[in-house]
Amino acid sequence: GQNIDQPTEMTATEGAIVQINCTYQTSGFNGLFWYQQHAGEAPTFLSYNVLDGLEEKGRFSSFLSRSKGYSYLLLKELQMKDSASYLCAVRAGGYQKVTFGIGTKLQVIP
Amino acid sequence: DAGVTQSPTHLIKTRGQQVTLRCSPISGHKSVSWYQQVLGQGPQFIFQYYEKEERGRGNFPDRFSARQFPNYSSELNVNALLLGDSALYLCASSREDTHNQPQHFGDGTRLSIL
Repeated sequence: GQNIDQPTEMTATEGAIVQINCTYQTSGFNGLFWYQQHAGEAPTFLSYNVLDGLEEKGRFSSFLSRSKGYSYLLLKELQMKDSASYLCAVRAGGYQKVTFGIGTKLQVIP
Repeated sequence: DAGVTQSPTHLIKTRGQQVTLRCSPISGHKSVSWYQQVLGQGPQFIFQYYEKEERGRGNFPDRFSARQFPNYSSELNVNALLLGDSALYLCASSREDTHNQPQHFGDGTRLSIL
């Protein structure tokens, strides 16, 4: 099976930087995704990592270390609209079974 | 282009009933996955279909079944509904059955069991 751990809640200030960590244990690792989910809405794709290193996309960056089973999502220049749950998801095996973590609920305060 | 569409958006059923949820993927997407999300949890994988064949199944009882049609749309069926089946059911589609394609989610069907 797979085990994914991420903090349940975080609070950060508007304009600041926040890092959301995710650790995982799996066999047959085949990629890690980050999704954003606002309350009552569907998850939306943010980033994908399959190789070690940093992927940058605007204000959002995601990092992966496969040897450590570790990823983080970095959000810069936080805006109030960034208040949402951030889901770490790992794909493993030969098909698209994606296992999600519990999600980190981020609250951005003025 | 239209995104992933799911119907109905909300549904109320009673214990023991059966329900069918529907999903239309993004045009050109051949892979469809179903997830169950209960409040405060991440989505839990139920099924994945690609080219009308089941490619994966999560840890759900046989009361849950699904199928994919030639136009790549999909249905999720749940029999003998239990109170614990109350959740948001999400459908996600992706272009191909390869590892680097992200899944795009529909808005979900919120199922309430009384």
